[in-house]
Amino acid sequence: AQTVTQSQPEMSVQEAETVTLSCTYDTSESDYYLFWYKQPPSRQMILVIRQEAYKQQNATENRFSVNFQKAAKSFSLKISDSQLGDAAMYFCAYRRGTSGSRLTFGEGTQLTVNP
Amino acid sequence: DTEVTQTPKHLVMGMTNKKSLKCEQHMGHRAMYWYKQKAKKPPELMFVYSYEKLSINESVPSRFSPECPNSSLLNLHLHALQPEDSALYLCASSQGLTGYVDTQYFGPGTRLTVL
Repeated sequence: AQTVTQSQPEMSVQEAETVTLSCTYDTSESDYYLFWYKQPPSRQMILVIRQEAYKQQNATENRFSVNFQKAAKSFSLKISDSQLGDAAMYFCAYRRGTSGSRLTFGEGTQLTVNP
Repeated sequence: DTEVTQTPKHLVMGMTNKKSLKCEQHMGHRAMYWYKQKAKKPPELMFVYSYEKLSINESVPSRFSPECPNSSLLNLHLHALQPEDSALYLCASSQGLTGYVDTQYFGPGTRLTVL
């Protein structure tokens, strides 16, 4: 079975600084996808960034980027120039390559952004 | 447009009531999902519909009954719930195509309280 581990239950960062959230996963599959979702207090799960396992290039979306280390099964999220609106619970998630597959989530990291 | 809508936003029901949660998407997605989320925990998959057929049931108690009337609509019928069923119920949808990243997009959720 696939597992996703987020070892940092809570993190904090100063506004405008950079923070990295950690995620590791375990799978025997070769075809899979990885995601970071954020869930602010409004509770809507919002896609932050996604990575296809077959792509060597790390995904980036504006201030958000990932460090995907396939051999190490690591998928960390870097948030640059942190903003107050980045404060949220961040979930790392794994999905097998088959469509309609479940998302396996980590336990989440609660990010606080200090002004 | 990546919008998934859910109604109602909040629902309070007694243990003998029958109620329904509704989820709608107009993105042409063919896979739809129900998740249950307890406070400060990741979402837990309940059901998956793929091309309007139930493809995954995570051994959910029969007091939860899903229905997919068409490719845009997903309902969750509730009957004889227990107080421990109080949670945030999230709906998600994805394209449902194998070989693609098949990202799941979430609705804002229904906060359910069972008295």
